[in-house]
Amino acid sequence: QTVVTQEPSLTVSPGGTVTLTCASSTGAVTSDNYPNWFQQKPGQAPRALIYTTSNKHSWTPARFSGSLLGGKAALTVSGVQPEDEAEYYCLLHNGAGWVFGGGTKLTVL
Amino acid sequence: EVELVESGGGLVQPGGSLRLSCAASGFTFSSYWMTWVRQTPGKGLEWVATINQDGSENYYVDSVKGRFTISRDNAKNSLYLQLNSLRAEDTAVYYCGGGSWFDYWGQGTLVTVSS
Repeated sequence: QTVVTQEPSLTVSPGGTVTLTCASSTGAVTSDNYPNWFQQKPGQAPRALIYTTSNKHSWTPARFSGSLLGGKAALTVSGVQPEDEAEYYCLLHNGAGWVFGGGTKLTVL
Repeated sequence: EVELVESGGGLVQPGGSLRLSCAASGFTFSSYWMTWVRQTPGKGLEWVATINQDGSENYYVDSVKGRFTISRDNAKNSLYLQLNSLRAEDTAVYYCGGGSWFDYWGQGTLVTVSS
């Protein structure tokens, strides 16, 4: 059973930069895990931000970027805006299906 | 405009069954893998099941294997999830999603398993 781990919470100042990470219990995260990132605000459905490590959807703001960093998937938000306050989830493919991380609560303060 | 609308949720007793539906519009439904994801109130997202374009392949999280069945009807642009032998821990909002890479999501339908 794969466990995907994210930081439970992070705080960033408006205009700052923050990196969220996503680790797998089975080893290094690679492009073969097809990392996806989602944003979810209270009372709303998830919204897709990043797919296959670093690709942005047409609606994804330019300040969001995805990468692989030190054996983990990473989501970097540069020039954080107040509206970026939300829960962020990564999703990894493990060969047998998909596994979500526990989510990172991003606070903009 | 892309729209996914889930229905079929409700209150059911442990051991009972429900069938969730997801009506899709605004995109070529038959071209994409489709997925069900659930979220326990106040908690994180959990991938539940995925089905390929023609329904010949499906995958489930271990906790629902043998109890839940994902299916689709491309002629009706609809995705389904049959939930059997329901347990209290299946209580959640169930979202359907799809697209090239989980692009589109519905607003969810609440399933409550309680006596």
